[in-house]
Amino acid sequence: QKEVEQDPGPLSVPEGAIVSLNCTYSNSAFQYFMWYRQYSRKGPELLMYTYSSGNKEDGRFTAQVDKSSKYISLFIRDSQPSDSATYLCAMSPSTSGTYKYIFGTGTRLKVLA
Amino acid sequence: NAGVTQTPKFQVLKTGQSMTLQCAQDMNHNSMYWYRQDPGMGLRLIYYSASEGTTDKGEVPNGYNVSRLNKREFSLRLESAAPSQTSVYFCASKRAPIDNSPLHFGNGTRLTVT
Repeated sequence: QKEVEQDPGPLSVPEGAIVSLNCTYSNSAFQYFMWYRQYSRKGPELLMYTYSSGNKEDGRFTAQVDKSSKYISLFIRDSQPSDSATYLCAMSPSTSGTYKYIFGTGTRLKVLA
Repeated sequence: NAGVTQTPKFQVLKTGQSMTLQCAQDMNHNSMYWYRQDPGMGLRLIYYSASEGTTDKGEVPNGYNVSRLNKREFSLRLESAAPSQTSVYFCASKRAPIDNSPLHFGNGTRLTVT
């Protein structure tokens, strides 16, 4: 079993829809949770970054962490065609001295105009 | 603000050839990383450098070597390329190895080994 599981999609939604992207994980030591957006033939770019449980909002994006269920989500409101990309979740333990970032395999999202 | 710059963008090698992938960051970050990205596998860490003068193996180091040339530059070398090394390679940097700052990625080098 992978440490981080992410549905690869593709997920197709109409413009304006609310999108929910999710990852589950098995390592309870993970404390830092990130979402990266990756456009085709580009590197991942950081979208959201949260520590521990709770919600964090940034414009149309909301990141949610539920550590009791080992489940993280990214919500995109009023989705736009420009949101079409692959979304990667990533997480890291809190242990000092670690380099370890574990990435999901990514969910491909297509927003249809 | 360039961030993380990788060269070349594309490369085709024959089996057994060698090459070096270059990476430079201008964010004054201490830590630098090399990942490879393959379909269905996600990003896997090859090597990392927590700070200038140190390098360590990641998850998939076999067939690769690295050099941390200075604080800005971190190169990845394939001594004898194999078809299994066909992948997209990403360099990333981070402010410090053990703080909670995130990784910043370059745009990748797409390598094909025939």
